[in-house]
Amino acid sequence: EVQLLESGGGLVQPGESLRLSCAASGFTFSSYAMGWVRQAPGKGLQWVSTISSGGRNTYYADSVKGRFTISRDNSKNTLYLQINSLRAEDTAVYYCAKSSGWPYYCDSWGLGTLVTVSS
Amino acid sequence: QSVLTQPPSVSGAPGQRVTISCTGSSSNIGAAYDVHWYQQLPGTAPKLLIYGNSNRPSGVPDRFSGSKSGTSASLAISGLQAEDEADYYCQSYDSSLSGYVFGTGTKVTVL
Repeated sequence: EVQLLESGGGLVQPGESLRLSCAASGFTFSSYAMGWVRQAPGKGLQWVSTISSGGRNTYYADSVKGRFTISRDNSKNTLYLQINSLRAEDTAVYYCAKSSGWPYYCDSWGLGTLVTVSS
Repeated sequence: QSVLTQPPSVSGAPGQRVTISCTGSSSNIGAAYDVHWYQQLPGTAPKLLIYGNSNRPSGVPDRFSGSKSGTSASLAISGLQAEDEADYYCQSYDSSLSGYVFGTGTKVTVL
């Protein structure tokens, strides 16, 4: 059974940084692209970033390009999202998702981790 | 601002059939990129419902079906049940944005 467990969320002040992690199990992590999708309180889903199975290729939404960095450690079955210069509009639940197909779709989702940006 | 437009809400009585539209453009659905659908039950994470326009993952009831035509796609729920009350999102790829896009989301209410 695929399991994805996000961690690293919390309350941070504007301008600060945060690193989210997603521990994966139940599948061959190194064989799949992985991504992050966020959902602001009471709002819809927004794609944030995707990384290829080997980590060579990364993709970002325009709204986060330059501030967010996605990475993965296939030896640890873990996905990361480094978030810098946090803004109030980054407040959201961040979901880790296993991706399949091309272009990708999210075939499994984690429970999410809440990031709140507030002074 | 999403490039895939869905109706904010649809409703139906138990047993009825409802459909949710997802309207895109020539740079996403109309460019032959696949459409996928997700179900988000209240207070939970999204779940893949339909992939590749019309394919159901294992475990998804055949009451759910998807289709695509031109620059639009649709999700149909037949034999509506109380447990189907949820938010539904379509998703595709947009070549103009060089990224993935979700629909605006539709809340399904079972009357």
